[in-house]
Amino acid sequence: NAGVTQTPKFQVLKTGQSMTLQCAQDMNHNSMYWYRQDPGMGLRLIYYSASEGTTDKGEVPNGYNVSRLNKREFSLRLESAAPSQTSVYFCASSLRDRDGLYSNQPQHFGDGTRLSIL
Amino acid sequence: AQSVAQPEDQVNVAEGNPLTVKCTYSVSGNPYLFWYVQYPNRGLQFLLKYITGDNLVKGSYGFEAEFNKSQTSFHLKKPSALVSDSALYFCAVRDFNPMEYGNKLVFGAGTILRVKS
Repeated sequence: NAGVTQTPKFQVLKTGQSMTLQCAQDMNHNSMYWYRQDPGMGLRLIYYSASEGTTDKGEVPNGYNVSRLNKREFSLRLESAAPSQTSVYFCASSLRDRDGLYSNQPQHFGDGTRLSIL
Repeated sequence: AQSVAQPEDQVNVAEGNPLTVKCTYSVSGNPYLFWYVQYPNRGLQFLLKYITGDNLVKGSYGFEAEFNKSQTSFHLKKPSALVSDSALYFCAVRDFNPMEYGNKLVFGAGTILRVKS
């Protein structure tokens, strides 16, 4: 099925290790997003890429970096993992409306990466 | 800044009864509101959105939502609940910046819906 694919699905890291979470979408969407989900806090935006070639910080960007590799792929990197980054990470994508600026298209989500940092 | 609040951590209903999951919002300008559902170990799935027009919005799986501007609310409703509706529900509002593309969303904390047979 078409959609948003995240890899890996599960990962355990030690404090200080680095890793990259991968995300790819095959819906020809313009915009992509990385969120983290923590109990009782909903989803919080880490970084987003409104279109290929641009990335911007969201609500909680500290400790993370991103790369919009091409239109399909948007990766999230933890350079030096910390226990506070234990979370479930979701990638999402959305289509840009015809006029571009006022996009009201829904976001489509992957099934998440469950990351534990010891 | 835009925000949404979901005042109930959990809602319990009996199968066949109507259900309501509450959401209130705070925005500058016109609100663009969304409801998503999350099943265990899955990503969020879009249910419905309000952009403009009729205050009653119909969405997937028999859900609908009522936009009320005077009460700044966007409650999710279904006339007859199913056990399979049990899930985590999120309300979201577009974080609007006229100079930006894309569709940044601000999510509520979520409400667990439990439907008992």
